[in-house]
Amino acid sequence: QVQLVQSGAEVKKPGSSVKVSCKASGVTSSTYAITWVRQAPGQGLEWMGGIIPIFGTPNYAQKFQGRVTITADESTSTAYMELSSLRSDDTAVYYCARVGHNSYYMDVWGKGTTVTVSS
Amino acid sequence: QSALTQPASVSGSPGQSITISCTGTSSDVGGYNYVSWYQQHPGKAPELMIYDVFKRPSGVSNRFSGSKSGNTASLTISGLQAEDEADYYCNSYTSSSTWVFGGGTKVTVL
Repeated sequence: QVQLVQSGAEVKKPGSSVKVSCKASGVTSSTYAITWVRQAPGQGLEWMGGIIPIFGTPNYAQKFQGRVTITADESTSTAYMELSSLRSDDTAVYYCARVGHNSYYMDVWGKGTTVTVSS
Repeated sequence: QSALTQPASVSGSPGQSITISCTGTSSDVGGYNYVSWYQQHPGKAPELMIYDVFKRPSGVSNRFSGSKSGNTASLTISGLQAEDEADYYCNSYTSSSTWVFGGGTKVTVL
């Protein structure tokens, strides 16, 4: 059974960066993608970007281009999402989710990582 | 990429059927049969309910069904139950090789 385990909650100052990790376990195929989705308090889901770990080439939503970096370490089955130049409106729960091989939906989700941006 | 359009709220009595719409464009919903739906209870991670417009993952009740016509996809919940009260989000793959979510619909069981 595939599980995604995310790193713990973070509190950051405005202007700083945050890096959230997402470790996959129980994965039997290496051709999957990890996507990142965030949810601000009381708001909806927002797709940020994704990566296929074995290929290593990320894809980003236009809104986050230049501010987000998604990477993956295939050897540890871990994906990372780094968001820079943090603002108060980046306060949100950040989820990672798996997109399986040859599929276009997010079938397994992490529990989420709360990032709070406050001075 | 603009968010897909969903009604903010839908309600129904137990046992009734409700339908949630999700409107996009020919660059997303209308262009691909890659619409998925997610259920989210308060404080929990989203859960996949429908994928590829109408397919149900193993373990999801057959009370949930999906369809699409043109640029609009729909999620129907039949035999509404108290446990169905949650937020629902549609999602589509896009021509930019990205994904886009709808704004979400709060389902209330009266």
